Amino acid sequence: DVVMTQSPLSLPVTLGQPASISCRSSQSLVYSDGNTYLNWFHQRPGQSPRRLIYKVSNRDSGVPDRFSGSGSGTDFTLKISRVEAEDVGVFYCIQGTHWPPFTFGQGTKLEIK
Amino acid sequence: EVQLVESGGNLVQTGGSLRLSCEASGFIFSTYGMNWVRQAPGKGLEWLSYISGGSVTIYYADSVKGRFTISRDNTKNSVYLQMNSLRVGDTAVYYCVTGLKGARENYWGQGTLVTVSS
Repeated sequence: DVVMTQSPLSLPVTLGQPASISCRSSQSLVYSDGNTYLNWFHQRPGQSPRRLIYKVSNRDSGVPDRFSGSGSGTDFTLKISRVEAEDVGVFYCIQGTHWPPFTFGQGTKLEIK
Repeated sequence: EVQLVESGGNLVQTGGSLRLSCEASGFIFSTYGMNWVRQAPGKGLEWLSYISGGSVTIYYADSVKGRFTISRDNTKNSVYLQMNSLRVGDTAVYYCVTGLKGARENYWGQGTLVTVSS
């Protein structure tokens, strides 16, 4: 199974400041169709997760443009250009290339300093 | 409006069984593969099972293989998870989800809580 490793696991950020989360996979996530199925989810406290980014860098509908995804192969990054209060929660990466199983990262908890 | 509504969560003793349901609306259910994902209290997300739109392809995580069974009824826009031989470690909120791979839209239900006590 592909192991997804996120860092940091805890991310205290000042409002208005940028934030960055790393996600590394144990093998390349490039699929035979040329796509890289690396997605990012956000879970606010007490809520269901929702997807922010799919296939490395594509924002889902309604996701603010302060969120951006990048990376290739085995190294990926989620960046928030200016953290807002509503960004509090846990961010997960997930790979959909070598499934089953789908595998999630451990989660990165973002809090406001 | 897209909705996924899970039900069936409950308190059950170890070794017991439960059947979770997820009813979908607002999208063409029969064309979407469906997943079950769970989240133990204070923990991360764990994928459990997948069923394709026509029920031809089914997968399970090793942690539930042989104990859980996924199924769907496209006439009722519903997907199910039959859970047998439940363990304390199965205690979690269970979500039905589409779009985990990243190839289609992503929808989540609100989750249903399963508590397994010894």
